[in-house]
Amino acid sequence: QLQLQESGPGLVKPSETLSLICTVSGGSISSSPDYWDWIRQSPGKGLEWIGSVHSSGRAHYNLSLGSRVTISVDTSKNQFSLKVSSVTATDTAVYYCTREKWGQLRFLYFDLWGQGALVTVSS
Amino acid sequence: NFMLTQPHSVSESPGKTVTISCTRSSGSIASNYVQWYQQRPGSAPTPLIYEDNQRPSGVPDRFSGSIDSSSNSASLTISGLKTEDEADYYCQSYDHNDRVFGGGTKLTVL
Repeated sequence: QLQLQESGPGLVKPSETLSLICTVSGGSISSSPDYWDWIRQSPGKGLEWIGSVHSSGRAHYNLSLGSRVTISVDTSKNQFSLKVSSVTATDTAVYYCTREKWGQLRFLYFDLWGQGALVTVSS
Repeated sequence: NFMLTQPHSVSESPGKTVTISCTRSSGSIASNYVQWYQQRPGSAPTPLIYEDNQRPSGVPDRFSGSIDSSSNSASLTISGLKTEDEADYYCQSYDHNDRVFGGGTKLTVL
């Protein structure tokens, strides 16, 4: 059974870069055509899609986050990662890594989720 | 890009049926499939419905989805409500490579 697990610092200072890694176990991250996504949830708020990456390295981002976000994949380690630069308190959230299930050459749904990692931005 | 608007909260009694709406702000609701997720407190979301009305394996048939082009909205209907259904529910759709979530609806089963 495929599982996802987020890891990274739980506390980041304002203006610094938030970095998280998602490790995929029980299967290969290179299983095309699935994409791998990051989604966040601010305390008491709803879900916000951050972006996605394919095992080929192709990435897509939520334009509302501007150019602060980078999502990359390391197939040799079966991991994908998230970097958010110049963070502020509004980036405080639980960050989830997920799998974007595809079928018949189209997006179906987010079928697998990590447990989530709380990242607090504070000095 | 478009937005998906959900009621902030709904409530209903055990055994009854409740419907949660999700209205698309621009573009046709039928142009891209709608998904629904359930999130219990302290847990990650889990998928309930995909492609408007399909249930992933293991999801009870008490959960059903539909779309209504006349109101440009999607709906999640939960029948035979159980106390364990008390959770937050999110609709989600997409436009090309963008994924959009609704603001979420808190369901109280009282």
